[in-house]
Amino acid sequence: KAGVTQTPRYLIKTRGQQVTLSCSPISGHRSVSWYQQTPGQGLQFLFEYFSETQRNKGNFPGRFSGRQFSNSRSEMNVSTLELGDSALYLCASSLGTYEQFFGPGTRLTVL
Amino acid sequence: QQQVKQSPQSLIVQKGGISIINCAYENTAFDYFPWYQQFPGKGPALLIAIRPDVSEKKEGRFTISFNKSAKQFSLHIMDSQPGDSATYFCAAAGNNDMRFGAGTRLTVKP
Repeated sequence: KAGVTQTPRYLIKTRGQQVTLSCSPISGHRSVSWYQQTPGQGLQFLFEYFSETQRNKGNFPGRFSGRQFSNSRSEMNVSTLELGDSALYLCASSLGTYEQFFGPGTRLTVL
Repeated sequence: QQQVKQSPQSLIVQKGGISIINCAYENTAFDYFPWYQQFPGKGPALLIAIRPDVSEKKEGRFTISFNKSAKQFSLHIMDSQPGDSATYFCAAAGNNDMRFGAGTRLTVKP
């Protein structure tokens, strides 16, 4: 069974731009969660989608948004990028339980 | 709002030694406690998990010890190997919430 895939793996943007990251979960998994990982803050929860509905949301500004499609693939969008948004963005999929399987992440650098 | 405190931040162990990482949680609604292992350039991988109905779970060289009354749990890596060198994250989940510890960078010296 293929694992969680994330695209692109690396991304460089400048301040003020917007970015869209993509996540394809493990086949059969209906839940997709997004996390931001930085050296100083560790793993911070962004949001979770289950069957196309946002089920849970972390404490991030409205510039961070996401969606899930009917095939469970998910996208995350960050608008008006700031330097502090530079991080590894991780996607995790699950059957809807807490047992999450992470993708390799997208390394976003904001210049 | 940190609900899971993990220590130590970094750990250096000799090959063959025991690595011990500790976590403490606050929310009594948490009922699932996984540990993740992350290598550089990779996403975290689920290593082992425990539910509060047992006090210990062992899988190979990895053991979770759980103390419900103290709201603490720990990961023990027996016979630590250089290949175990990675960052380890504990987490606590329950009531539609999941929180991660800040991570422990483990280095196993040959």
